[in-house]
Amino acid sequence: RKEVEQDPGPFNVPEGATVAFNCTYSNSASQSFFWYRQDCRKEPKLLMSVYSSGNEDGRFTAQLNRASQYISLLIRDSKLSDSATYLCVVNPPGGGNKLTFGTGTQLKVEL
Amino acid sequence: DTAVSQTPKYLVTQMGNDKSIKCEQNLGHDTMYWYKQDSKKFLKIMFSYNNKELIINETVPNRFSPKSPDKAHLNLHINSLELGDSAVYFCASRELGSYNEQFFGPGTRLTVL
Repeated sequence: RKEVEQDPGPFNVPEGATVAFNCTYSNSASQSFFWYRQDCRKEPKLLMSVYSSGNEDGRFTAQLNRASQYISLLIRDSKLSDSATYLCVVNPPGGGNKLTFGTGTQLKVEL
Repeated sequence: DTAVSQTPKYLVTQMGNDKSIKCEQNLGHDTMYWYKQDSKKFLKIMFSYNNKELIINETVPNRFSPKSPDKAHLNLHINSLELGDSAVYFCASRELGSYNEQFFGPGTRLTVL
């Protein structure tokens, strides 16, 4: 089983739609979790951290389910500018140096 | 000011050549990384340095040799380039701590002909 697994997509959605991505991780002792965003031919950038209680930042909501070992990202009222690849990132036990990246889920928001 | 910078941005070279990519961060972070992103977009860690000391080496061929002259710089030298080395190489830095953000450089697109 891969350390971090994501559906590669693409998810093609109309502008204004709500879309959700899930990501599963294999190490139950993983400490911290993130969603990064990567635009075409650009570097990954932090979108949001994912806390145990769940957290929201504007149109974006992230949730963590430790029992089932998955994290999710919900995007409401999708904009054209949300089109990108969303990378699920997991920090191993101990908050060590190594962040493990998923292969990413591609989102395309269309008119 | 650019937080993590890399040079060059593009690198086109012949098989068998030796090339270097340079990386600098001005964030004061102790930890720096090299990642390789292949054509399938998978971002794979290659190396990590903490305060000039190598702490992660992910079974990368020894043709790849990282060098950290100080904690703000982490360079990557590649000997005897092969076709399969073609990829985008990202440098990154981070301050240790569970929820600290990792900052990436803009990437170096390497094409081996």
